[in-house]
Amino acid sequence: EVQLVESGGGLVQPGGSLRLSCTASGFTFTSYSMTWVRQAPGKGLEWISYISSPGTTIYYADSVKGRFTISRDNAKNSVYLQMNSLRAEDTAVYYCARTYCTASTCYSAYWGQGTLVTVSS
Amino acid sequence: SFELTQPLSVSVAPGQTASITCGGNNIGSKDVHWYQQKPGQAPVLVIYRDYNRPSGIPERFSGSNSGNTATLTISRAQAGDEADYYCQVWDTRLVFGGGTKLTVL
Repeated sequence: EVQLVESGGGLVQPGGSLRLSCTASGFTFTSYSMTWVRQAPGKGLEWISYISSPGTTIYYADSVKGRFTISRDNAKNSVYLQMNSLRAEDTAVYYCARTYCTASTCYSAYWGQGTLVTVSS
Repeated sequence: SFELTQPLSVSVAPGQTASITCGGNNIGSKDVHWYQQKPGQAPVLVIYRDYNRPSGIPERFSGSNSGNTATLTISRAQAGDEADYYCQVWDTRLVFGGGTKLTVL
């Protein structure tokens, strides 16, 4: 059974940092890209970062570029999101998702349960 | 960057057919994927690559994509289908539509 478990969320002050982790099981982690998607309270889904299976291709949404860093440790079946210079508008549930890519498209068939990040003083 | 437009809400009577649209410039040239999200839960993929259903998704869910509009169709709608639905394409990033709230009443 595919499982994705996020951790590391919590309450942080504006300007602070958090590191989210997502640990995968039930599939060959090295065969899949991974994605972080967030959802602010009462809002829609917002893609924020992508990392390819070997970790050599990385993309960020403009809203987090320069502040967030995605990485993965294939030996630990884990993907991470280092979040710095956090702002109130970063408050959201953060999901990691297993992302399947072909030559023309990518989509996410499996998602974690999400971890809540609250940025507030 | 590529943008996707969805209606904010769609209503359907139980047993009837609901259609949720996703508009984008020449979206028919892209693969479209659809997710269902119920309150407090993670999204679930219900259609991938325009019309394919993952295992476990009822045949009542179908998709199409042509021109500037992709459509998710839910036949014989049930109360359990009430959820937010998001379309998504890939454009060097995952691009999501704004989401459509489906009400079954």
